[in-house]
Amino acid sequence: SQQGEEDPQALSIQEGENATMNCSYKTSINNLQWYRQNSGRGLVHLILIRSNEREKHSGRLRVTLDTSKKSSSLLITASRAADTASYFCALGGNTPLVFGKGTRLSVIA
Amino acid sequence: EAQVTQNPRYLITVTGKKLTVTCSQNMNHEYMSWYRQDPGLGLRQIYYSMNVEVTDKGDVPEGYKVSRKEKRNFPLILESPSPNQTSLYFCASSLGYSLNTGELFFGEGSRLTVL
Repeated sequence: SQQGEEDPQALSIQEGENATMNCSYKTSINNLQWYRQNSGRGLVHLILIRSNEREKHSGRLRVTLDTSKKSSSLLITASRAADTASYFCALGGNTPLVFGKGTRLSVIA
Repeated sequence: EAQVTQNPRYLITVTGKKLTVTCSQNMNHEYMSWYRQDPGLGLRQIYYSMNVEVTDKGDVPEGYKVSRKEKRNFPLILESPSPNQTSLYFCASSLGYSLNTGELFFGEGSRLTVL
């Protein structure tokens, strides 16, 4: 089954900077979701954006979706050391969620 | 508290010794799923279940079995574990995977080592 591809694979920034990670996909979707995983822990749902939505906000998170380009981006503003984690996009459709391989974000204090 | 509970969290076993990883959720979710996570390969789905007595293969079902006799429980069974099943396993659940109910809730993971 198709999975999203996150880019970059790894990202290192200073505390206070913004972090942007992208997800590209090839199939049709009903929704796209972003999850966070702290090292070795269970994934935590961050945000879901439906295929008819273009942008969504949740706290310091901003997600955009461009279905014509089949891509999504996750922006974390004013990053903190606690944001250090892996971030995964997941494609929601008429089949079970398919996860990408993730972007590893390191926020340096 | 809404949660997905997996047991055991850590297990070291030997090749061929049958084992079961339990998964239980208290949110009355219809959909449950098992994933394995390996370095460089991301999360790969093993099996999923849309409701009681309904199970389907995911992307990597070989060497695993599941059952869904009750809505809350979805055990993962390794009949004859092999070293290539050494991995970090996650159970997850959701109301469903339609447009509005697709958010997955994950357990804390079970780290399995097969010697």
